[in-house]
Amino acid sequence: NAGVMQNPRHLVRRRGQEARLRCSPMKGHSHVYWYRQLPEEGLKFMVYLQKENIIDESGMPKERFSAEFPKEGPSILRIQQVVRGDSAAYFCASSPTYPLVSYNEQFFGPGTRLTVL
Amino acid sequence: AQSVTQLDSQVPVFEEAPVELRCNYSSSVSVYLFWYVQYPNQGLQLLLKYLSGSTLVKGINGFEAEFNKSQTSFHLRKPSVHISDTAEYFCAVSDQSGSARQLTFGSGTQLTVLP
Repeated sequence: NAGVMQNPRHLVRRRGQEARLRCSPMKGHSHVYWYRQLPEEGLKFMVYLQKENIIDESGMPKERFSAEFPKEGPSILRIQQVVRGDSAAYFCASSPTYPLVSYNEQFFGPGTRLTVL
Repeated sequence: AQSVTQLDSQVPVFEEAPVELRCNYSSSVSVYLFWYVQYPNQGLQLLLKYLSGSTLVKGINGFEAEFNKSQTSFHLRKPSVHISDTAEYFCAVSDQSGSARQLTFGSGTQLTVLP
């Protein structure tokens, strides 16, 4: 059973470009979470999605950031007009639906490391 | 709202010595508690979790943690560490109720095991 997959693993963008990060949850998982890890810091919650719905985006910056989890295909975190401060590791996690065992546990992908030049 | 405090940012310890990584949390509601480990340039792997029941929780790689509700703590312990335990360790909490399922993380503790 494949784990959470993220691509690309490393992404380099120049200031002003767009960054698109992809996350494929574990098979059978319908909940996806995005977190950001700035250098020397812990992970900060960004957004929680279910298929075709944003459940909680309280951690998302108000501008330039958006996320989606379409009916088919991976979840995508999009950052428009990137700035140097967006350089970070972005992690995706997924979880199954209640009442499946471990519904309250999140399984993490390997992350995408974004560098903005 | 919840917060997690990991009191030690760096913990050096000699191989085969015991180690304790401290974690305290603050929350107005009941929470689930987790410890994750992150190896360099990798994602997070769950070490153990506390949901309910026995306050002493055993996890993978010989780690265990004890939930202390009165002290709002969830310290991680291992009686004898190996070089391979060198990694970053994160304590996290999530709300037990409602739809707020996101994890709130501490700032991490870098465990370095010395030969």
